[in-house]
Amino acid sequence: NAGVTQTPKFQVLKTGQSMTLQCAQDMNHNSMYWYRQDPGMGLRLIYYSASEGTTDKGEVPNGYNVSRLNKREFSLRLESAAPSQTSVYFCASSGVGRANQPQHFGDGTRLSIL
Amino acid sequence: QQQVKQSPQSLIVQKGGISIINCAYENTAFDYFPWYQQFPGKGPALLIAIRPDVSEKKEGRFTISFNKSAKQFSLHIMDSQPGDSATYFCAATRNDYKLSFGAGTTVTVRA
Repeated sequence: NAGVTQTPKFQVLKTGQSMTLQCAQDMNHNSMYWYRQDPGMGLRLIYYSASEGTTDKGEVPNGYNVSRLNKREFSLRLESAAPSQTSVYFCASSGVGRANQPQHFGDGTRLSIL
Repeated sequence: QQQVKQSPQSLIVQKGGISIINCAYENTAFDYFPWYQQFPGKGPALLIAIRPDVSEKKEGRFTISFNKSAKQFSLHIMDSQPGDSATYFCAATRNDYKLSFGAGTTVTVRA
């Protein structure tokens, strides 16, 4: 029972490089989310997708883009990485398209930008 | 600006003791207040949640107390065990897709 799977688990980039973080869920959930976690800041929502075909900005969307590829997959792209984007990125999903359903998280991607 | 303020940043408790984590919010439109538990190297996992129409919810050794008039809620971990050592996050949402998280509390339970 995989739940939410994120790839890669670790990545080091140079400033200006681009990359895509991948996320897939096997729980048939409608909603998916991308968060970043920084020390002393908790988790902050970057983007979310309430249902297949829709995406919306969260609290800290600048410098990121997302694609809801299908119901299972939701990717996060950094077009031109900056050191301020060094963080741990978490993908989550929830059912029935409502935020007050439990969000199930992956184990994160640890991203360092030099 | 964080919409949910959490304290303390960290705490140490002896095995069998009580851990208490406090959160406060300003947005009176919030109507769902979950707590998440996170172990090192893992993603957060839902621990327990409460809605503002009740003042307390208990699940095993974990209890949420909710004070709507004060706009505060807290997590109590009774009979704390070493396996409870983790980071705990409170959160709040107003019935949409945006969870606002507190900054987190690292709990260390000493055997």
